[in-house]
Amino acid sequence: DGGITQSPKYLFRKEGQNVTLSCEQNLNHDAMYWYRQDPGQGLRLIYYSQIVNDFQKGDIAEGYSVSREKKESFPLTVTSAQKNPTAFYLCASSIGGAATKELFFGEGSRLTVL
Amino acid sequence: GESVGLHLPTLSVQEGDNSIINCAYSNSASDYFIWYKQESGKGPQFIIDIRSNMDKRQGQRVTVLLNKTVKHLSLQIAATQPGDSAVYFCAENIGGNTPLVFGKGTRLSVIA
Repeated sequence: DGGITQSPKYLFRKEGQNVTLSCEQNLNHDAMYWYRQDPGQGLRLIYYSQIVNDFQKGDIAEGYSVSREKKESFPLTVTSAQKNPTAFYLCASSIGGAATKELFFGEGSRLTVL
Repeated sequence: GESVGLHLPTLSVQEGDNSIINCAYSNSASDYFIWYKQESGKGPQFIIDIRSNMDKRQGQRVTVLLNKTVKHLSLQIAATQPGDSAVYFCAENIGGNTPLVFGKGTRLSVIA
């Protein structure tokens, strides 16, 4: 079935460590996104990519990095520079261009810093 | 700050009653709106959308109303069921190459 796969679903990290969250989609979508979700808050955009080898910072990009070497993959690295990384991370994709329309979400990755 | 907000952060509804979830937006240039449903520990799922040239759109048990005069969006759920318990987000497309902007969400609790 087509969709977006995020892994791992749960991840624990020690302070000072970098971690990478995987996001893969087989929907043939051009655009992909990473959102962070904290309790009681909505979705905050970290990074997005409209096309392969291109990406833009969202509202809270500090302490994160991404790459878009393949159309189907958009991994997110949470670096040690991110002061409060414990959160629920959601990856999404859309058909074409960041301006479009319906986003399709993965099931999320929950990161906990010990 | 966010241009999309919600009037009520939580809503409790008796099973079988209708639910109304509200959303205020501040960008008059927004041309497209979506409602998402997010169950606990899962990713948001599309419920219904509406374009700015419409003021009402109906789906199965759900209706979205758009009032551009007061920049207000609402989601109505008919005959609310326990499976409707979730957090509901509205999102707006403000145009250009800007991604969707999400509101903070409303938690809907259905009382059996």
